[in-house]
This record gives sequence, C-alpha cells and structure tokens, in this order.
Amino acid sequence: DGGITQSPKYLFRKEGQNVTLSCEQNLNHDAMYWYRQDPGQGLRLIYYSQIVNDFQKGDIAEGYSVSREKKESFPLTVTSAQKNPTAFYLCASGANQPQHFGDGTRLSIL
Amino acid sequence: AQKITQTQPGMFVQEKEAVTLDCTYDTSDPSYGLFWYKQPSSGEMIFLIYQGSYDQQNATEGRYSLNFQKARKSANLVISASQLGDSAMYFCAMREGTLGTSYDKVIFGPGTSLSVIP
Repeated sequence: DGGITQSPKYLFRKEGQNVTLSCEQNLNHDAMYWYRQDPGQGLRLIYYSQIVNDFQKGDIAEGYSVSREKKESFPLTVTSAQKNPTAFYLCASGANQPQHFGDGTRLSIL
Repeated sequence: AQKITQTQPGMFVQEKEAVTLDCTYDTSDPSYGLFWYKQPSSGEMIFLIYQGSYDQQNATEGRYSLNFQKARKSANLVISASQLGDSAMYFCAMREGTLGTSYDKVIFGPGTSLSVIP
C-alpha cells in the first residue's frame, strides 16, 4: 500500500545530542514537508522540499536541518541548537500540497 | 501577523446536525489554495477538502463543503449530518505562491476542536 512512513514513533534526546527523524514515502510525490505540533496547537512549518536536492526553510527552521537526496526520503535532524525540541513531528507529502501525512514522531528530552 | 485565523477554539454540535467551522486568511498573492484537515485524538492528519483561489465553484467532498468567499477572505468548512466520528481537531491551511514552484509553502491555522454530542 502507498503511504508515508515515519520512524521512530517515539524518540528521546539527551542534552547536546543530534537526533534524526525518518520520513519515507512511496507515493511518488514531489513535495515533502516537516511540521512541528505542540500540545493544543496547530502545525508550524519547519522545512519543505518541492524537488530532489532542493528545500526551503519554513517558519521555524532554526535548530533543524534536512536533506532531500532521494525523492522518497526527507529526513529531519533536530540539532543540539534546538533548545526546546519536545513536540510531535509530522511529515507530509503531496503532488502540490501536504495531502498525506505520516503517523508522526513524538520527541522528548531525557 | 497571523495568516490563518480560526476564531472558534471549541465547537459543539448535535449528532445529525450541520456545523460550520470558520476560517479567515490573509494573503496578497493572487494564487493560493485553501485546505481543511481533520486530526482525531489518535494524532494522524487527514486531508478533507481543497479550494483553489481561481476555482469558480465551492469545493465539495461527500459531507464536507467549503464555503469560499474570496472578497471576505474566508473559507469556512461545512460538515453536514454530523456523526460521532467527526469529533476531532479541524485545521484550516493555506498554500501561498505559484503552484509547482519551490517557493510555495503551506501554513496551518491554530485549529478548532469539534465535539459531536449524541
């Protein structure tokens, strides 16, 4: 079945550590997106990519990095510079808009 | 400045009744798209409906319809014949920029929590 797979479902980060969230899609979508959701809040755009080897910063890109080496994959790295990383992270893909979402990754600080 | 406004943090509706969830947006780009998503308590995001800024007719998908009033910059979601399974958070979102370029992005509003009462 086609869809978006995010892993892991739960992730814990130690102080000073970088962690990478995986997002893979087999829908052949050009566009992929990363959003952050805090409790009781809407989604805020971190990074997005319309084509391979190209990506743009969203509204809250500081402390995060991405790569888009393959059409199917759009991993997000939460760096040690992100001082408040505890949140629910959602990856999405679409032909032109985020039409399909993964099940999300919950990141917490140890 | 807030680009997507959803003024109703929480809404209640009786089962089988219709409900309207409000969304207003702000953009100076003539080309944009508007979306609604549903997020049940389990956390997954479900795409519901899309309206392009140049679409002449209001979008409909089953029990969902989008009341698009361009001059007022509003894109309200109407859910007809509410069901208990409709209880969820609902997010309005907007794509700005020219479709297909690397500069269009999608931003979300703060959401409205809908509770359907039996």
